[in-house]
Amino acid sequence: DADVTQTPRNRITKTGKRIMLECSQTKGHDRMYWYRQDPGLGLRLIYYSFDVKDINKGEISDGYSVSRQAQAKFSLSLESAIPNQTALYFCATSDRTGREQYFGPGTRLTVT
Amino acid sequence: GQSLEQPSEVTAVEGAIVQINCTYQTSGFYGLSWYQQHDGGAPTFLSYNALDGLEETGRFSSFLSRSDSYGYLLLQELQMKDSASYFCAVRASGGYNKLIFGAGTRLAVHP
Repeated sequence: DADVTQTPRNRITKTGKRIMLECSQTKGHDRMYWYRQDPGLGLRLIYYSFDVKDINKGEISDGYSVSRQAQAKFSLSLESAIPNQTALYFCATSDRTGREQYFGPGTRLTVT
Repeated sequence: GQSLEQPSEVTAVEGAIVQINCTYQTSGFYGLSWYQQHDGGAPTFLSYNALDGLEETGRFSSFLSRSDSYGYLLLQELQMKDSASYFCAVRASGGYNKLIFGAGTRLAVHP
């Protein structure tokens, strides 16, 4: 089984809808991250969490919110989706050194 | 501001050696990482340099010069399966182990 899983893998939704992307990990890591990937822009950090009680905004948090339900689960929500949130979303985890991040398979989100 | 620069595309032939450069400008610096991403896949970790010098892992090596704010990834004995995007990422200080990624270099390996 994969160490970092994301659901759904693909999602098409309409403008204005609320969407939740879920991430689970079995690596036992404290730190979890949500990234967005757009062509030609690399990966940009949306939110990160050091533990269940520690959540921080990244570079591009506007329009997004997160919830760390447990050490192993970190969800990303789009409260009211808009077309420019169409992108590939990755969840990642790391241990406390942060030397290496482990990525989930990604969720391809399309907002029409 | 914080920025990383790397070439957008590199082309090479099987068996050759290719070097992907990365220059960075960040407020504080802990280390430079490299990630590989195949089309449709997730980024996977390749290497991490915290100190100046060369780190070798099989066919891949990574180099860092902190004084020059520069690093590179060296891929030797290229194989078709090395065709992928390669991202450099800086672990910046004051950032809770946040990584700041470059835009990526797309490597195409031809027969």
